[in-house]
Amino acid sequence: EVQLVQSGAEVKKPGESLKISCKGSGYSFTTYWIGWVRQMSGKGLQLMGIIYPGDSDTRYSPSFQGQVTISADKSVSTAYLQWSSLKASDTAMYYCARGRRSGSYTDGFDIWGQGTMVTVSS
Amino acid sequence: SYVLTQPPSVSVAPGQTARITCGGNNIGSKSVHWYQQKPGQAPVLVVYDDSDRPSGIPERFSGSSSGNTATLTISGVEAGDEADYYCQVWDSSSGHPGVFGGGTKLTVL
Repeated sequence: EVQLVQSGAEVKKPGESLKISCKGSGYSFTTYWIGWVRQMSGKGLQLMGIIYPGDSDTRYSPSFQGQVTISADKSVSTAYLQWSSLKASDTAMYYCARGRRSGSYTDGFDIWGQGTMVTVSS
Repeated sequence: SYVLTQPPSVSVAPGQTARITCGGNNIGSKSVHWYQQKPGQAPVLVVYDDSDRPSGIPERFSGSSSGNTATLTISGVEAGDEADYYCQVWDSSSGHPGVFGGGTKLTVL
């Protein structure tokens, strides 16, 4: 079964760092783009950026450039989203999702992780 | 960056046809994807490349795109179709990974 399994919920304080993960299985992890999507409470979906695990080619959406770091470790079939200094405004649900077609990031996301809830509060 | 505009809400009676629009500058020249998201769940891809359906998605879901508007059409709406729907495109001209529309809440009356 093709699936993405994300790490568990996190509660952090402002200024702390955080790295959440997304592990792929059931397919060739290195040949499909992975995207990270933010959803704040009661709000819509925002694409943060995408990564190609095969060579770690990464693209960020303008609003998230410099705010987060997306990475991948193909040896463990896992993509990551990390913050160096969290803010209260980073409180949200974060989803990872797989590009539908091998080697392409333009064809929609067909497999989604279950989401990781990040809460930042003092 | 590229902006996609969706109506906040659409309401339809069971058995009727729901049409959810997604507006964007010359969106007809881009590939549009549609997602369904039910409360507490991750999104699900229901239409890709304007009008294709992933396996397992009912034929009741269809899509079209032309000019400045893309449309998701749900025929014979069922209570289980009540959800938020999002359009998405890839803005290849900017080199950015793409954007989602603001989402439309479909209410089945």
